[in-house]
Amino acid sequence: QVQLQESGPGLVKPSETLSLTCSVSGDSIRNYYWSWIRQSPAKGLDFIGYFSHGGSTFSNPSLNSRVTMSMDTSENQLSLKVTSVTAADTGIYYCARVIVLGPQLHGLDVWGHGTTVSVSS
Amino acid sequence: DIQMTQFPSTLSASVGDRVTITCRASQEIYSFLAWYQQKPGKAPKLLIYRASTLQSGVPSRFSGSGSGTEFTLTISSLEPDDFASYYCQQFNFPWTFGQGTKVEIK
Repeated sequence: QVQLQESGPGLVKPSETLSLTCSVSGDSIRNYYWSWIRQSPAKGLDFIGYFSHGGSTFSNPSLNSRVTMSMDTSENQLSLKVTSVTAADTGIYYCARVIVLGPQLHGLDVWGHGTTVSVSS
Repeated sequence: DIQMTQFPSTLSASVGDRVTITCRASQEIYSFLAWYQQKPGKAPKLLIYRASTLQSGVPSRFSGSGSGTEFTLTISSLEPDDFASYYCQQFNFPWTFGQGTKVEIK
């Protein structure tokens, strides 16, 4: 049974870089597609991006290229970096596994518990 | 980006009621839609994907229908465990979510 656990600093200063890790247990990250989602009272659930088991990444254009997603297959971990953060980046950050059927992505079937990030000086 | 309009935003219901939540896409999304349930302090839980496919382990009182731009999530007979918030999500890039429907006790 695949389990996901996000981790990272709870507090980040404005203009700095947010770095999060998602540790995956129960299966290899190379077998699946993965996604990062965040949630805030202001924006609700917000798509950050997803990446394939081959390492191709697709981040939301609304984040203006501030996002970097990567995989560490040796550690079986996913990582997310968001640069030049502002208060608008405050929220709960989730990693999740993507259901893939043929060429199409269909749902997020396994989620981490989420990690809360506050952007404040 | 495709806008997902979900309604109602709040729904008051009783145990045993039939409940329907609607999600409307601003453009055609075929059947690339999922539904989630979220309880306070928890991550969303997948209920339905591909508009009408029940995720493994989800009770059969949950069902999804629709295609194109209009979709519904139906709970045939509300149970105490179903009082929660529900979200739709479309899978044309960039993915977007509805604003949610809170199902509360009447």
